[in-house]
Amino acid sequence: DGGITQSPKYLFRKEGQNVTLSCEQNLNHDAMYWYRQDPGQGLRLIYYSQIVNDFQKGDIAEGYSVSREKKESFPLTVTSAQKNPTAFYLCASSGQGSFYEQYFGPGTRLTVT
Amino acid sequence: AQSVSQHNHHVILSEAASLELGCNYSYGGTVNLFWYVQYPGQHLQLLLKYFSGDPLVKGIKGFEAEFIKSKFSFNLRKPSVQWSDTAEYFCAVKRSSGTYKYIFGTGTRLKVLA
Repeated sequence: DGGITQSPKYLFRKEGQNVTLSCEQNLNHDAMYWYRQDPGQGLRLIYYSQIVNDFQKGDIAEGYSVSREKKESFPLTVTSAQKNPTAFYLCASSGQGSFYEQYFGPGTRLTVT
Repeated sequence: AQSVSQHNHHVILSEAASLELGCNYSYGGTVNLFWYVQYPGQHLQLLLKYFSGDPLVKGIKGFEAEFIKSKFSFNLRKPSVQWSDTAEYFCAVKRSSGTYKYIFGTGTRLKVLA
């Protein structure tokens, strides 16, 4: 089945530690995205990548980093500089061009204490 | 900057009631419009989308939405809701060209009472 996988589903970390969230897609999509979902705030864009080895900051990129070394993979690192990292993180992908919607993964719930 | 407004944050309806969820966006150019739904414990999934043509679009599970360009709106409707429609609904907008960014609204939580 084609789709997006995110692992793990739940992640717990101590404050001050960096943590990397995994996102893999087998839809052959060029574009990939990371969103953060908080209650009452909708989906806020962290980073997106239109093509391998290229990515752009979204609206809330501070304290996060990404890489795009392979078309299928777009890992997100939540660094210790992120002031409020506890959240639900969603990865998405889409095809190129205007006519494509985004496909979403199941999400990772990160809790930092 | 582009923005998307969903004015109804929480909606509670009884089964068989009609539903209309508002969505307004702030970009004046050509846009692509989407409604996504997130059922409890499930992935975000596409309900319907508008790219061009007939401004009344039909989606899955009996949902439809109407694009009114003059009002910058893309409201979601369903004539008769079911308990299984309980979910969070998100409107999203993307400029038709020049960007891969999708802008999402803050979401509307719908609860349907059996």
